[in-house]
Amino acid sequence: EAEVAQSPRYKITEKSQAVAFWCDPISGHATLYWYRQILGQGPELLVQFQDESVVDDSQLPKDRFSAERLKGVDSTLKIQPAELGDSAMYLCASSSRGRFSGGYTFGSGTRLTVV
Amino acid sequence: AQTVTQSQPEMSVQEAETVTLSCTYDTSESDYYLFWYKQPPSRQMILVIRQEAYKQQNATENRFSVNFQKAAKSFSLKISDSQLGDAAMYFCAYRSAVSEKLVFGKGTKLTVNP
Repeated sequence: EAEVAQSPRYKITEKSQAVAFWCDPISGHATLYWYRQILGQGPELLVQFQDESVVDDSQLPKDRFSAERLKGVDSTLKIQPAELGDSAMYLCASSSRGRFSGGYTFGSGTRLTVV
Repeated sequence: AQTVTQSQPEMSVQEAETVTLSCTYDTSESDYYLFWYKQPPSRQMILVIRQEAYKQQNATENRFSVNFQKAAKSFSLKISDSQLGDAAMYFCAYRSAVSEKLVFGKGTKLTVNP
């Protein structure tokens, strides 16, 4: 069964350092999402891509977060500089284009700890 | 903006019994999708069941079924014959047919007691 790949699974970084997460969606899925999930809460959308274009980044803290999906396939989410409050699980998901017939497929996530 | 509310932070059920998790949502759209996701301690988000707003019939997947009340904007999940493996966080989610944005509730932690 096709999966959304994310790496790394775990990341510990010091405050003020830069950190990056990678996501490879299911082949052919045009829409890619990055979510942040604080422990005990629901996922919050950070950015949504349609192919290589950003569709929604209204909740992305743009002073420190950036996201790209250069060729419309895999994507990178970067934080610079990291802050203690960024400690969370970062989830990537993908879905197919067009009349929605399926669900979203989520990756296993990257758990970030900022110390 | 659409919002999803899960009013039960925690629920518990005895093994083999039935439990219902509540979800309400707020939207001005007529075409949308609703989901229940399960997130076990391993943290992988797993789709449990989905409902398309234009379908009046409630979705069912084995032991999982929903009660979709469009006018009331309510979407509850019923788990029958609860099993120990059902213990997890359950998230209700709304997807706009226009923006394709998926919005989650804050979740309900389900405990299954043997």
